[in-house]
Amino acid sequence: VQLVESGGGLVQPGKSLKLSCSASGFTFSSYGMHWIRQAPGKGLDWVAYISSSSGTVYADAVKGRFTISRDNAKNTLYLQLNSLKSEDTAIYYCARSGYRHHYYVMDAWGQGASVTVSS
Amino acid sequence: DIQMTQSPSSMSVSLGDRVTITCRASQDIGNYLSWYQQKPEKSPKLMIYGATNLEDGVPSRFSGSRSGSDYSLTINSLESEDTGIYFCLQHKQYPRTFGGGTKLELK
Repeated sequence: VQLVESGGGLVQPGKSLKLSCSASGFTFSSYGMHWIRQAPGKGLDWVAYISSSSGTVYADAVKGRFTISRDNAKNTLYLQLNSLKSEDTAIYYCARSGYRHHYYVMDAWGQGASVTVSS
Repeated sequence: DIQMTQSPSSMSVSLGDRVTITCRASQDIGNYLSWYQQKPEKSPKLMIYGATNLEDGVPSRFSGSRSGSDYSLTINSLESEDTGIYFCLQHKQYPRTFGGGTKLELK
């Protein structure tokens, strides 16, 4: 199982960015996927989830600004970040929702993509 | 939202110590609780799921337990490779919420 994020960078407040998470080593279309972020020196914050059938859930802090999506043909997960704020500065991780004995857990994580929002 | 209160925020420990980290859930989450280990500059690694189940490949010195709304991660006989930050995560409902983290350092 491998997850590789890309698309991070430095962006001005109010601008947009699109992150990608390329998946390999498993049947991507069969799994729900999460985005989680970690601000510098801080803990982990869940951002969004997309099911295998493309149903979505968002954290209140990003609802209406971020959009999670997937392209199963490309084995790729996306996160569109709009109207960015300084508080969105973080490492963004994608993670697989894996099944373990009745539980759906984040069982595989990417290495993260750094997003810095600053003028 | 379910709040996960994790303690302590940091621990200075010695090799061979028995270490216990706790998370308290603000609402009933049953056994929908996972523990993760994060090394510097690395992504989190699943250690325990379902409150008490050891992920494949995780050393048996790690264990998870539950007492009511309190969930614990215990490391028996700490080894140097166990240093890092540990997080709990409730996966009962959305939004998913993490504990604040516990940083384990060697004395």
